Amino acid sequence: IQMTQSPSSLSASVGDRVTITCRASQSIGTFLNWYQQKPGTAPKLLLYGASTLQSGVPSRFSGSGSGTEFTLTISSLQPEDFATYYCQQTYTSLSITFGQGTRLEIK
Amino acid sequence: QVQMQESGPGLVKSSETLSLICTVSGDSISSSSYDWVWIRQPPGKGLEWLGTFSSSGDTYYNASLKSRLTISVDTSPNQLSLRLSSATLADTAVYFCARETDCRGGACYGHWGQGIQVTVSS
Repeated sequence: IQMTQSPSSLSASVGDRVTITCRASQSIGTFLNWYQQKPGTAPKLLLYGASTLQSGVPSRFSGSGSGTEFTLTISSLQPEDFATYYCQQTYTSLSITFGQGTRLEIK
Repeated sequence: QVQMQESGPGLVKSSETLSLICTVSGDSISSSSYDWVWIRQPPGKGLEWLGTFSSSGDTYYNASLKSRLTISVDTSPNQLSLRLSSATLADTAVYFCARETDCRGGACYGHWGQGIQVTVSS
């Protein structure tokens, strides 16, 4: 299953609302996770099951979607949110795949 | 709290075998209720799932690497290992081990090692 994120990069300002899209090449239900990665560190799980916030993750992060189209929204960007975001499908746990990533940069 | 630490050679010669270990504390790999995975990230690129050691003791591999990859568990010490034979320059990456966390029926990975940089040289 191929995962395609858009955009590949995004410039935004603190306080902005941003949305990242992830599309699956076939229906994956809600077996979709989002991760945040900062340079030199391991990815951090933000949301699972397309829309459930991982414990400890700020409520400005939200996710939606099912089937083949999913979105990650950050309601009001904070300085610590500038990072790269990846979607991941685990519909087929025998073949897990990630999107190519979306780099969120400060405008 | 489960913790993981990857270790192994940072430099491997092309055509040789790349071998890494993930040392785990806070959970027993062989009796865990969770799956364990290896994931890598080439320089400046995205994340690639390599393979899974499942809670049932089965292993699953990325089809593109299946012929070269072996994931296994040593129970004493509590380690997850990765062996990738016939290494090429394309195997240069940061390698992460990770463990599933509770995701209400799905699979997601909330526990990660810090990663280890491996460079394959010609």
